[in-house]
Amino acid sequence: GAVVSQHPSRVICKSGTSVKIECRSLDFQATTMFWYRQFPKQSLMLMATSNEGSKATYEQGVEKDKFLINHASLTLSTLTVTSAHPEDSSFYICSARRGVESTGELFFGEGSRLTVL
Amino acid sequence: AQSVTQLGSHVSVSEGALVLLRCNYSSSVPPYLFWYVQYPNQGLQLLLKYTTGATLVKGINGFEAEFKKSETSFHLTKPSAHMSDAAEYFCAVSDRGLTGGGNKLTFGTGTQLKVEL
Repeated sequence: GAVVSQHPSRVICKSGTSVKIECRSLDFQATTMFWYRQFPKQSLMLMATSNEGSKATYEQGVEKDKFLINHASLTLSTLTVTSAHPEDSSFYICSARRGVESTGELFFGEGSRLTVL
Repeated sequence: AQSVTQLGSHVSVSEGALVLLRCNYSSSVPPYLFWYVQYPNQGLQLLLKYTTGATLVKGINGFEAEFKKSETSFHLTKPSAHMSDAAEYFCAVSDRGLTGGGNKLTFGTGTQLKVEL
């Protein structure tokens, strides 16, 4: 099946620093990728929709200046958590939609666990 | 707007027993429905999905789900639980892109399945 890879899988950083998480579709092109945040024992909350070559669309309540998303190519989207604080600690998961149709199947990355000290 | 309700945040069954995980949805348009499984510190893996056609959907690992429009339900079942089925299960609904939402997924809060000997 299609593979989506996230890197790093775990990252620990100091408060005030910025952290970049990559999401790659390894064997298909993804014009659209989604970024989710998952708190412990909770569901996935959609943060933003990332479209190749254009600005991301953020969900209500998500700070776009805090969570920078760049979808520079058809196989790579990045999420940068700027000036991270302990409350940003979470499990971040991306998904990539295969193909250009809105009904394309979604494939999820393995997730990236961010811990801000 | 769409929403998903998963009844029971924790379900415990004996190995070999029937697994039943409940999911009810709300959608203003005919939905696509999904079940995903998540193992600890991993991303999501698609178990099965309903788009159109047959309302009884079979997925991987012996799981199946039935779309019942009259009950707005999409319950997940497996005739005989195995220890390896212990994981978090998420039900999700998509708007098919019909509301301009780009086929985004809305997840339920998840059900933790425990399988006991």
